[in-house]
Amino acid sequence: EAGVAQSPRYKIIEKRQSVAFWCNPISGHATLYWYQQILGQGPKLLIQFQNNGVVDDSQLPKDRFSAERLKGVDSTLKIQPAKLEDSAVYLCASSLGGREHYEQYFGPGTRLTVT
Amino acid sequence: AQKVTQAQTEISVVEKEDVTLDCVYETRDTTYYLFWYKQPPSGELVFLIRRNSFDEQNEISGRYSWNFQKSTSSFNFTITASQVVDSAVYFCALRTNYGGSQGNLIFGKGTKLSVKP
Repeated sequence: EAGVAQSPRYKIIEKRQSVAFWCNPISGHATLYWYQQILGQGPKLLIQFQNNGVVDDSQLPKDRFSAERLKGVDSTLKIQPAKLEDSAVYLCASSLGGREHYEQYFGPGTRLTVT
Repeated sequence: AQKVTQAQTEISVVEKEDVTLDCVYETRDTTYYLFWYKQPPSGELVFLIRRNSFDEQNEISGRYSWNFQKSTSSFNFTITASQVVDSAVYFCALRTNYGGSQGNLIFGKGTKLSVKP
């Protein structure tokens, strides 16, 4: 079974530029998550989708971050414009559903460096 | 408030030593799940174990074992006879539906384990 796919793996941009990340979850997984992991810290949830609807985006900086999950499968996360403090690893995860007992499976992440 | 604390930032051991990684959690919910994930240098978070709040039985999987104690709100992870391949950052995480969080994972800051040959 293929795991969660993410691209690109690495991205370097200058502040105020835009960037987009892509995620393809495990087939059949209805729930998709985007996490931000700053160096030396644990991942922090940015947004959770159930199929193509947003379940929780309370920690998403909506003035600069946006995400969508068209057709309930792939998802993109965009940052526009980027700030220095956005330098982090962006992790995508998926699970069968949104219930607390379901494991989340993580992708390899996209390491973003903002200069 | 919901919180996960991993007080050990970094641990260094020599191969074949046993090592215990501590995890203390806070939640008001009576139903919750605790997880451990491993993050090797490649960056991908690898699921190790899930434990629900009603099951305090300790679990052993090969060289790995977990000690869940509700009385102290702890969920500690022990690696027996550590190996170099165990070198990674280990995260403890909590998942509840408290406050409508929809079962999101709350991670600790992680413990970096270095196993030297």
